[in-house]
Amino acid sequence: EAGVTQFPSHSVIEKGQTVTLRCDPISGHDNLYWYRRVMGKEIKFLLHFVKESKQDESGMPNNRFLAERTGGTYSTLKVQPAELEDSGVYFCASSQYRSFEQFFGPGTRLTVL
Amino acid sequence: TQLLEQSPQFLSIQEGENLTVYCNSSSVFSSLQWYRQEPGEGPVLLVTVVTGGEVKKLKRLTFQFGDARKDSSLHITAAQPGDTGLYLCNAGGTSYGKLTFGQGTILTVHP
Repeated sequence: EAGVTQFPSHSVIEKGQTVTLRCDPISGHDNLYWYRRVMGKEIKFLLHFVKESKQDESGMPNNRFLAERTGGTYSTLKVQPAELEDSGVYFCASSQYRSFEQFFGPGTRLTVL
Repeated sequence: TQLLEQSPQFLSIQEGENLTVYCNSSSVFSSLQWYRQEPGEGPVLLVTVVTGGEVKKLKRLTFQFGDARKDSSLHITAAQPGDTGLYLCNAGGTSYGKLTFGQGTILTVHP
């Protein structure tokens, strides 16, 4: 069974540009989560989808971040315009309905110059 | 805000030694997971504990969830170089939503 996949693995952009990250969860997992780790800090929650609905977006830093999960399958996280402090590793995770166990993807390393 | 504190932050030991990593909080959690992460990869789930006082063993790794469900420990017996990595504890709250992470323990096991 394929795990959680993320694309791209690395992205280097300039301040002010737009970047879109993609996450493909494990097939059949209704829950999809986005997390982020910035340099030297712990992994922090961004938001949680249940199927195509946003269940909790309390961790989204500001309105420059937009997450979507059309059709309840894959998800995208767009940052527009990117700022220097957005640099970090963005992780996606998925889980089955009503399960405590989240399975993480390899992450996307975003560098904003 | 729920906070998880892991200790120690760094641990460097010789092959064959035993070690314990701690994860503590002032909050009660419905579940707690331990993950291991290697460079360039995402965290990989090792174990989930949900019952206060629960002890789970995974080969040379022993995980314990505190009676009050506020803390946990990971004990590794006879550490091997392959155990090297970042060990993260994280915990769910009262729902099946977001996880709260500790800052992690970087373990290095020297041959």
